[in-house]
Amino acid sequence: DTEVTQTPKHLVMGMTNKKSLKCEQHMGHRAMYWYKQKAKKPPELMFVYSYEKLSINESVPSRFSPECPNSSLLNLHLHALQPEDSALYLCASSQDLGRGNYGYTFGSGTRLTVV
Amino acid sequence: GQQVMQIPQYQHVQEGEDFTTYCNSSTTLSNIQWYKQRPGGHPVFLIQLVKSGEVKKQKRLTFQFGEAKKNSSLHITATQTTDVGTYFCAGTPGNKLTFGGGTRVLVKP
Repeated sequence: DTEVTQTPKHLVMGMTNKKSLKCEQHMGHRAMYWYKQKAKKPPELMFVYSYEKLSINESVPSRFSPECPNSSLLNLHLHALQPEDSALYLCASSQDLGRGNYGYTFGSGTRLTVV
Repeated sequence: GQQVMQIPQYQHVQEGEDFTTYCNSSTTLSNIQWYKQRPGGHPVFLIQLVKSGEVKKQKRLTFQFGEAKKNSSLHITATQTTDVGTYFCAGTPGNKLTFGGGTRVLVKP
């Protein structure tokens, strides 16, 4: 299995809703990432997990809450989002975190619309 | 912090022609990665360059890392409609994959 699987593919949520994005990989990768991508912009890093521990939080608002239940799963819990949070949320994984010598495998993303 | 700039932002190419996109960093890079994102798709890893002056080829794509490890280029020969998409370079300062702005490639048949 050489894929990163993200669910759901599309999500529409109200500003008072609570929802979760899910990401799964079975490549044995020990580093996992959440990125946010607005239209016609590059992906922007949000969170980095290494060996199931949060390694980097790029000053993301607390309405986004990541969770790594095990080495294969990564969740992003959403609460009280704003319309400007609408974007494509990408999960990625890589073999390891150190040295940056590994290509990242990206999932197909969740397209989120906040209404 | 480190900034990775890409030029051009847009590239309109006639099918069959060649083009080059460039990536420049404000600081020395330990390595550089290139990704392609098709319209409506997600980034797909193409290649990583690590050594100063390194050149790697993938069929019609040629990737180059500058001698000072502060710039990189992607050259595509005989462009095809399948080359449509956005090409991103990315560096890894502090174990964080940081993307350049991307070059959006449109191919005219």
